[in-house]
Amino acid sequence: NAGVTQTPKFRVLKTGQSMTLLCAQDMNHEYMYWYRQDPGMGLRLIHYSVGEGTTAKGEVPDGYNVSRLKKQNFLLGLESAAPSQTSVYFCASSPTGDYGYTFGSGTRLTVV
Amino acid sequence: EDQVTQSPEALRLQEGESSSLNCSYTVSGLRGLFWYRQDPGKGPEFLFTLYSAGEEKEKERLKATLTKKESFLHITAPKPEDSATYLCAVPVDYKLSFGAGTTVTVRA
Repeated sequence: NAGVTQTPKFRVLKTGQSMTLLCAQDMNHEYMYWYRQDPGMGLRLIHYSVGEGTTAKGEVPDGYNVSRLKKQNFLLGLESAAPSQTSVYFCASSPTGDYGYTFGSGTRLTVV
Repeated sequence: EDQVTQSPEALRLQEGESSSLNCSYTVSGLRGLFWYRQDPGKGPEFLFTLYSAGEEKEKERLKATLTKKESFLHITAPKPEDSATYLCAVPVDYKLSFGAGTTVTVRA
């Protein structure tokens, strides 16, 4: 099925460890996004990309880095995980940024 | 500052008890307002897009309406399977800005 695929689905990290979350879309969308969702705070934008090779900061970018080397993939990296990064992470893509947003099923990350 | 606010935070309904959710926004040059449904452990699932004041969209027991300052999601005669968190969002500078959501619980 066409859509947005996130890996892994679950992960537990120790404080200070690093990891990369992978987002892949097969809809040829230009725009891709990483959000985090915390109880009572809704979805907050971490970083986004408006096309292959581009990245930009969102609302809560500190402690995260991203890369978009291929149009279909958008990677989110945590260099030194902190307990405050415990959250559910969602990737999304859109053809233009104005409509047609499709979300992945999420990655639940716990930092202990 | 552009902002999206949803109320109430939570809504508990008896099966068949109709109600409405509110999404107010302060965005200049609205380029659409989106409603999503989110089930526990899953990503947001698209429901509706509204573009202009007075527009209405319907899907089964859900109807979304839009004014110049807010949108309503009406749930008519809800069933337990309508239990979910409902999110509204607006695109701002080609990024979606979300409200915090309304969690709806429908009891049989």
